[in-house]
Amino acid sequence: SQTIHQWPATLVQPVGSPLSLECTVEGTSNPNLYWYRQAAGRGLQLLFYSVGIGQISSEVPQNLSASRPQDRQFILSSKKLLLSDSGFYLCAWSPQGPPYEQYFGPGTRLTVT
Amino acid sequence: AQSVTQPDIHITVSEGASLELRCNYSYGATPYLFWYVQSPGQGLQLLLKYFSGDTLVQGIKGFEAEFKRSQSSFNLRKPSVHWSDAAEYFCAVENTGTASKLTFGTGTRLQVTL
Repeated sequence: SQTIHQWPATLVQPVGSPLSLECTVEGTSNPNLYWYRQAAGRGLQLLFYSVGIGQISSEVPQNLSASRPQDRQFILSSKKLLLSDSGFYLCAWSPQGPPYEQYFGPGTRLTVT
Repeated sequence: AQSVTQPDIHITVSEGASLELRCNYSYGATPYLFWYVQSPGQGLQLLLKYFSGDTLVQGIKGFEAEFKRSQSSFNLRKPSVHWSDAAEYFCAVENTGTASKLTFGTGTRLQVTL
């Protein structure tokens, strides 16, 4: 069966520091991969998605970036964090075929101080 | 563009009572539809999905949803709610195109009273 991992689970970082969140998927190949952010009490905001290695699409202009160095690895990064980057970050994967249901990881709680 | 509306922000039901969470979508063709559940501090879990066939879909944890094309709705139901069902519920519709992004509703928070 497929599993999706995210780490770290929680992170407290000062403003201006760099960020690296990692997501890996097991048990499937060539998945679509997604990064979402969920602010407190809010819905889901799609940040990035990827249909293959090195293929990244950005949904929201911001100081975050994403990379997909391997088929089942998706990384979310920032060179300098802002206070507004605080939130709950979720990684998800979906199969390449319909109905494209997404499966989510456990999330990373990021607090920028 | 596709859109999803969950008109109820917060719903409170008694344990053992029936539940219906509303979801309306905007989409020209037959959509792929999903319901997810999120407990506090956790990721989203897929409850059920609809993409063709029988309009009544069975999911995990005793949930079901009915696709009604005429009403553009995909309401989630459970005949008898348990206290552990208290969570946030999200409806989603698949966006056609590359990578098949999902459009999520804003969520309905379910509170269960004992």
